[in-house]
Amino acid sequence: EPEVTQTPSHQVTQMGQEVILRCVPISNHLYFYWYRQILGQKVEFLVSFYNNEISEKSEIFDDQFSVERPDGSNFTLKIRSTKLEDSAMYFCASRQTGDTEAFFGQGTRLTVV
Amino acid sequence: GENVEQHPSTLSVQEGDSAVIKCTYSDSASNYFPWYKQELGKGPQLIIDIRSNVGEKKDQRIAVTLNKTAKHFSLHITETQPEDSAVYFCAASKYYKLSFGAGTTVTVRA
Repeated sequence: EPEVTQTPSHQVTQMGQEVILRCVPISNHLYFYWYRQILGQKVEFLVSFYNNEISEKSEIFDDQFSVERPDGSNFTLKIRSTKLEDSAMYFCASRQTGDTEAFFGQGTRLTVV
Repeated sequence: GENVEQHPSTLSVQEGDSAVIKCTYSDSASNYFPWYKQELGKGPQLIIDIRSNVGEKKDQRIAVTLNKTAKHFSLHITETQPEDSAVYFCAASKYYKLSFGAGTTVTVRA
């Protein structure tokens, strides 16, 4: 069964450092997302990406965040200057169309120290 | 934006009993309502979904109902088993964005 893969599974970084979280969506999917989940809390929408551009972003997705689809397979989330409160699980998701099932990756646990 | 409320936050049931989780949404334009199960250390996995043109959907022990007028939808798990223990999230989607509820931690007691 096709799946969304995320790397790394766990990333520890120092406050102020840049991190890049990587995702490989399912190959024929057209809509890509990043969500985050702070420990014990709800899954929060960060950003959606379609047709090589951001289609929507949340208030959380401020100037320190950026997304990119550098080639035909990868979808990345960059956090430029990490803060302690960025510590969370980050999930990538993809959908074939805008209203079909969203498939989630296993997540990257980001720990900012 | 869309606001999804989910209740209860925790639910403990005896094995074999039923579990019901309820969600409400705020945006009447939302038209797709998935339910996700999340096990420890894993990403959310879709277990069932329903669209706004359907009132009820069933898949073996799992069923979902949708009341568009009242803007609420529910997940029903019958004959619960220990492997049903997990966190369950409801979500509502308009166009392409999924908005999640806060989650329900379900514990099935043997």
